[in-house]
Amino acid sequence: GQQVMQIPQYQHVQEGEDFTTYCNSSTTLSNIQWYKQRPGGHPVFLIQLVKSGEVKKQKRLTFQFGEAKKNSSLHITATQTTDVGTYFCAHPGGSSNTGKLIFGQGTTLQVKP
Amino acid sequence: EPEVTQTPSHQVTQMGQEVILRCVPISNHLYFYWYRQILGQKVEFLVSFYNNEISEKSEIFDDQFSVERPDGSNFTLKIRSTKLEDSAMYFCAGGLRQQETQYFGPGTRLLVL
Repeated sequence: GQQVMQIPQYQHVQEGEDFTTYCNSSTTLSNIQWYKQRPGGHPVFLIQLVKSGEVKKQKRLTFQFGEAKKNSSLHITATQTTDVGTYFCAHPGGSSNTGKLIFGQGTTLQVKP
Repeated sequence: EPEVTQTPSHQVTQMGQEVILRCVPISNHLYFYWYRQILGQKVEFLVSFYNNEISEKSEIFDDQFSVERPDGSNFTLKIRSTKLEDSAMYFCAGGLRQQETQYFGPGTRLLVL
């Protein structure tokens, strides 16, 4: 269906290590969005990827959209304690194009100082 | 920078009681959404709203739920007769265009006893 699988569910890293979360869909996606949710907070938009094979960077964060537009990844280089939170991928689902977002299960990142 | 606001931040209610969750979206947004997040789980779509009517609703959004935007400013979610399983964080979100960035409010944490 429209679900996206996100792995891993949890990741504990030492500060300075890299981190990657992956999002996979069985169907082609029109676009994929990434959100970050700090503990106790709300989802905050990070980026949207639209084109096949697209790669975008935001400082230490690198986002990729697969060639088939069925998978995406978020890579953080040299994690910092401020990176702590849950990272969700999400895509606009539904045939009615209402803009509803279908979220992955999220990857919760813990960074040990 | 404009932001989405939600009130109350926390609500405790007895099972069977009605609750109204309020949201003030960003003023120039056209598409509005309610999502919920049960503790430790992913964000789930409830309903989308455009042009003063519901454009899509999920299976969760049964007859006990309703939304309205009575004055062009506030966007409310009403649960007529709350159940224990309605306990969750409820997020309002809005966007300028469908299938693009959504801006989330800080959420209302609802606890049904």
